[in-house]
Amino acid sequence: DQQVKQNSPSLSVQEGRISILNCDYTNSMFDYFLWYKKYPAEGPTFLISISSIKDKNEDGRFTVFLNKSAKHLSLHIVPSQPGDSAVYFCAASAGAAGNKLTFGGGTRVLVKP
Amino acid sequence: KAGVTQTPRYLIKTRGQQVTLSCSPISGHRSVSWYQQTPGQGLQFLFEYFSETQRNKGNFPGRFSGRQFSNSRSEMNVSTLELGDSALYLCASSLIDISYEQYFGPGTRLTVT
Repeated sequence: DQQVKQNSPSLSVQEGRISILNCDYTNSMFDYFLWYKKYPAEGPTFLISISSIKDKNEDGRFTVFLNKSAKHLSLHIVPSQPGDSAVYFCAASAGAAGNKLTFGGGTRVLVKP
Repeated sequence: KAGVTQTPRYLIKTRGQQVTLSCSPISGHRSVSWYQQTPGQGLQFLFEYFSETQRNKGNFPGRFSGRQFSNSRSEMNVSTLELGDSALYLCASSLIDISYEQYFGPGTRLTVT
């Protein structure tokens, strides 16, 4: 029972262009969503988050959009840089579950110079 | 401020043995969560400790256990190791009990032969 899904296992994008990563969820109890970035041999690094009471959150080059009715969120990276090449995980949390995060399977992003 | 540290970074064990992994959270953080990452199952929540109490537990067999000490450091133990326990074990800490944004350590790579 995959409650958080990232249907694109990989994404290739040209430097300077936009990267769009998608994530779908099924659990209506999720009220907070996060994106993490992971390099090989390192732990995930927190990127950006969004509460279910919002539909958009921006932080520099990163913007997360949430569509609650569709149970869908996306991460936009503009402009993409070679250092953005990593695996990106979408994660969700339900307030009552405390600090338990449910992760998607990840999307590997390759930014070509 | 130092990040989350995990020891050891790499470990090789034989089937049937037991193993203990250690995690030191960011100074001041009181919540510690553990996750298992495998190629097939992705990142899965194991359990979470806050103020020395287990608050959440994922869907793992009883061979997986953990504890948290008064200084917030945490250990997880896996008894009677199986080949399928080979994984990257990640520890994450957060400041309070429901802060959502968790900070991950580099992980312990466990190989069971």
